Amino acid sequence: AQKVTQAQTEISVVEKEDVTLDCVYETRDTTYYLFWYKQPPSGELVFLIRRNSFDEQNEISGRYSWNFQKSTSSFNFTITASQVVDSAVYFCALSGAETSGSRLTFGEGTQLTVNP
Amino acid sequence: EAGVAQSPRYKIIEKRQSVAFWCNPISGHATLYWYQQILGQGPKLLIQFQNNGVVDDSQLPKDRFSAERLKGVDSTLKIQPAKLEDSAVYLCASSPRSEPYEQYFGPGTRLTVT
Repeated sequence: AQKVTQAQTEISVVEKEDVTLDCVYETRDTTYYLFWYKQPPSGELVFLIRRNSFDEQNEISGRYSWNFQKSTSSFNFTITASQVVDSAVYFCALSGAETSGSRLTFGEGTQLTVNP
Repeated sequence: EAGVAQSPRYKIIEKRQSVAFWCNPISGHATLYWYQQILGQGPKLLIQFQNNGVVDDSQLPKDRFSAERLKGVDSTLKIQPAKLEDSAVYLCASSPRSEPYEQYFGPGTRLTVT
């Protein structure tokens, strides 16, 4: 079975602070994909990143960065210099290519609130 | 490029009534997904279509839920009869490929069953 755990239910920071959202996953597949999605108050899930299990390079996109570590089964997401517009629920998701095809297993989400 | 369209955006029904949701995916996207998102939880896949064929419906409560995707484009999801625990947001997503690829989500339909 596949599982994604986002232990932080809610995080509150002040604007310009850096914040890291944790994601730990479980899968028996050797080939799998990890995703992060953002869900703003409007409700529409917005794709942020996809990473496959063979690519452990960290990635940076503007103020966003992702740290993938297979040794600890973690795929953490850091927002640098947070802004009020970053306030949203963030979901980590997993897709195991061998057992679940393209079905995404989502974590419970982390509610991030950035205060001015 | 237009995004995934869903309607209605909100629906309130009484338990034991039936309801239907509609989804129009991004043009050219062969794969379509329906998810159920209960308040405070992550989305859970209900059914996946590849063109007009079902790929995965293992988590669809088939005694009350049904879905179809005629002509491989639009899709409808139906609940009959509805239960209180069906109150949730129903999200439609589409993807250009069937393998693990980014999925593009619609705004969802918020269903309240009273």
